Amino acid sequence: AQSVTQLDSHVSVSEGTPVLLRCNYSSSYSPSLFWYVQHPNKGLQLLLKYTSAATLVKGINGFEAEFKKSETSFHLTKPSAHMSDAAEYFCVVTAFSFSGTYKYIFGTGTRLKVLA
Amino acid sequence: DAGVTQSPTHLIKTRGQHVTLRCSPISGHKSVSWYQQVLGQGPQFIFQYYEKEERGRGNFPDRFSARQFPNYSSELNVNALLLGDSALYLCASRLERPGQGTGGYTFGSGTRLTVV
Repeated sequence: AQSVTQLDSHVSVSEGTPVLLRCNYSSSYSPSLFWYVQHPNKGLQLLLKYTSAATLVKGINGFEAEFKKSETSFHLTKPSAHMSDAAEYFCVVTAFSFSGTYKYIFGTGTRLKVLA
Repeated sequence: DAGVTQSPTHLIKTRGQHVTLRCSPISGHKSVSWYQQVLGQGPQFIFQYYEKEERGRGNFPDRFSARQFPNYSSELNVNALLLGDSALYLCASRLERPGQGTGGYTFGSGTRLTVV
């Protein structure tokens, strides 16, 4: 069965310092993985996706993530945090079924706080 | 191009009432899915529709139903509302083509439902 675990519910960093948001996944087949960001009272915005091409994936706003199969991880990083990065971040794994269902399995989210 | 549009943006209903939420996918997208996001949690899969047929259903009671129209727009209906149905309801659309299995969903901004 497909699942994701976001290891930190809250992360606080100072502006200008690196960001690390951790995600481990479980998948019975080669997974597609995504990171989405959600600002307060907003919908979900795609940051980046891994679909079995390059293991280091670059996304929008300076974010990137590395797929590590041996560690079943897909951690999100950014070299320098900006105040506008403060938001909720979700790690997502896809799940397929023989009936044709294609759905997302979301992690519980990590709330990123950026301190001035 | 317009993104995924949902209406209404906010809604207040009383326990026991019925609600209909609407979604228009990105032009050309035939697959529409619905997710429920309770405050403080990650979104949970409710339904997927493709070419007007239900492709998958999440672990939700029969009070929840949906349909997709010939123009690929979709409605989510919830009967006999409970306080616990208060949530952000997200619609997402995806372009499906033979051999294109890893394209991601684009989400709308959601409908915030409050049940009192």
